[in-house]
Order: sequence, then C-alpha cells, then structure tokens
Amino acid sequence: SQQGEEDPQALSIQEGENATMNCSYKTSINNLQWYRQNSGRGLVHLILIRSNEREKHSGRLRVTLDTSKKSSSLLITASRAADTASYFCATDGYNQGGKLIFGQGTELSVKP
Amino acid sequence: KAGVTQTPRYLIKTRGQQVTLSCSPISGHRSVSWYQQTPGQGLQFLFEYFSETQRNKGNFPGRFSGRQFSNSRSEMNVSTLELGDSALYLCASSLQGGNSPLHFGNGTRLTVT
Repeated sequence: SQQGEEDPQALSIQEGENATMNCSYKTSINNLQWYRQNSGRGLVHLILIRSNEREKHSGRLRVTLDTSKKSSSLLITASRAADTASYFCATDGYNQGGKLIFGQGTELSVKP
Repeated sequence: KAGVTQTPRYLIKTRGQQVTLSCSPISGHRSVSWYQQTPGQGLQFLFEYFSETQRNKGNFPGRFSGRQFSNSRSEMNVSTLELGDSALYLCASSLQGGNSPLHFGNGTRLTVT
C-alpha cells in the first residue's frame, strides 16, 4: 500500500526555473525522505527530514514538512537539465515497523 | 566504499520457473531491503533483513522469499514465476533501516515470458 502521494505526477519546466513537488501522506511519521531516480536505475537519497523539523536545505534543494497537514514539499531551485528524473517521497511511519514506504513519484523534465 | 551491487542486471525467465536475485550491500550496512518497481504499482516493499533476520515483510505472496547471510549479503527468490512478476527489483542497504537513508543498487530487470 502507498503511504505517500506525490503531486503533480509530471512536471515540465525550462532550465533555470524552480520546480516544486508535493507529497501527502496518511499516518503519523518518524521521518520523511526524498529520493531521485534516473530512468532505469536505482534511487538516490536526497534529503531526510524528521517529524520535529519544519524545513531543511541541501544545496539547491529545500524541503518543508507540515505534520499538521501531513504534507511535504521539495523545491529545486535554478533547475538544470541534469535534474530530469523521477522524484519520490518515502515515509517511515509510526506503525510501519521501520520500513520505508514510497509514493508514486513525480516525473520532472527540465528542458535546456 | 563500493556501492550496493545487484546481480544479474537483466534476467529473462519463463512462467513457472524460479529465480534468485543477489544483493551485496555497502560494507558495514546490516539492513537490506527489497522493493519491486512496476509502472502500474510503483515501488512496493517486499521485505527487510537485519542481521540475518527478516524484520519486516510486505504484502506479497509466499512465492517471494529472501534471506540474508552473515556477511549481510542478501538473496531473494521468486518461485513459480508469473507474467505479473516482470519488474525492476531493487535492493537497498542502510545502517539501521527506516530511520536512516537507503542506498540503492541499480536493480535487476526481470522479464517473465
């Protein structure tokens, strides 16, 4: 079963623009993580935000977490063609016994 | 450190056969998780092993099984293959499991004909 749902499912932007992806989840969480996947390859961990944190930055990435709304967003600033990939949120929920459950992902296309 | 290694990279099998996939985690990582990825269902959790014990299990039939060895390497086995088992199977290792970031291999692409 999916815990997280990403929105939008697909996003197409021009290089240099910002990209925002949203993730909603259903149950209380210990932490939420974002991953990137290039076509046909494994996922790469981007950032982890704990339930008691509201915002986290890593380079051009900014993640926010609103536990009252059970939602998170990933902002990629000044996007590049190399950012073209699928982005997934994943939750470590209270009742998940430590397993990470992934959403369906957002497919981001950055045009040069 | 070397990353997570999955073998083989591609596999073609016939319905009814069985298959074994292998995963070598990052050195020092004791948790290994397996995921099935398909276009329709997305990433589905199969199971997690920690120190040779299955710690978590997803909602897959008993045809899907796994194990972990004392060196943390893991294998997963699928018996009596069905067409719907065609997928990208991803292995991920971590220090502790869900509390820590997962490091993924590039997966094994299984095609069942």
